Amino acid sequence: DAGVIQSPRHEVTEMGQEVTLRCKPISGHNSLFWYRQTMMRGLELLIYFNNNVPIDDSGMPEDRFSAKMPNASFSTLKIQPSEPRDSAVYFCASTPGRAGNTIYFGEGSWLTVV
Amino acid sequence: TQLLEQSPQFLSIQEGENLTVYCNSSSVFSSLQWYRQEPGEGPVLLVTVVTGGEVKKLKRLTFQFGDARKDSSLHITAAQPGDTGLYLCAGARGNKLVFGAGTILRVKS
Repeated sequence: DAGVIQSPRHEVTEMGQEVTLRCKPISGHNSLFWYRQTMMRGLELLIYFNNNVPIDDSGMPEDRFSAKMPNASFSTLKIQPSEPRDSAVYFCASTPGRAGNTIYFGEGSWLTVV
Repeated sequence: TQLLEQSPQFLSIQEGENLTVYCNSSSVFSSLQWYRQEPGEGPVLLVTVVTGGEVKKLKRLTFQFGDARKDSSLHITAAQPGDTGLYLCAGARGNKLVFGAGTILRVKS
């Protein structure tokens, strides 16, 4: 079975540019999470969806960040405009049920904003 | 301020040594999970503990959940270089999983 698939794996962009990160969760999983990982702050939950509906976006740092899940097999995290402090590894993860169940992470999208 | 405090932050030991890493909080969690993350990859679940006082073993790894469900420990016996990685604890609060900052473990051969 394919795991959580994220793209791009690596992106380097200039400050002010729009960044779109993509995620395909594991088929049949009904919860999807976007996390951000940095050395300073560790792994932070940005937003999570249940059955394609955003449930909690309290972790989204600013209005520059937005996330969508138009269907059960696809989600995007967009940053517009990007800033150097957005540089981090962004992980998408999915789970078949509540958060207490196993969360399966993708390999991450490494974003560098210069 | 981290909801889950992990200690130590870094640990460098020789192959064959034993070690314990800790995950502490002032909050109660319905369950607690331990993940291991290798460079360039996402975290992978090692274990989930649910009951206060629960002990689970995974080969050379022993996980314990505190009686009050606020803390947990991970003990590794006879560490191997393959144990090197970032160890993360995560507590379930409602539908969310909150992660600690992690312990970076390096096992030298």
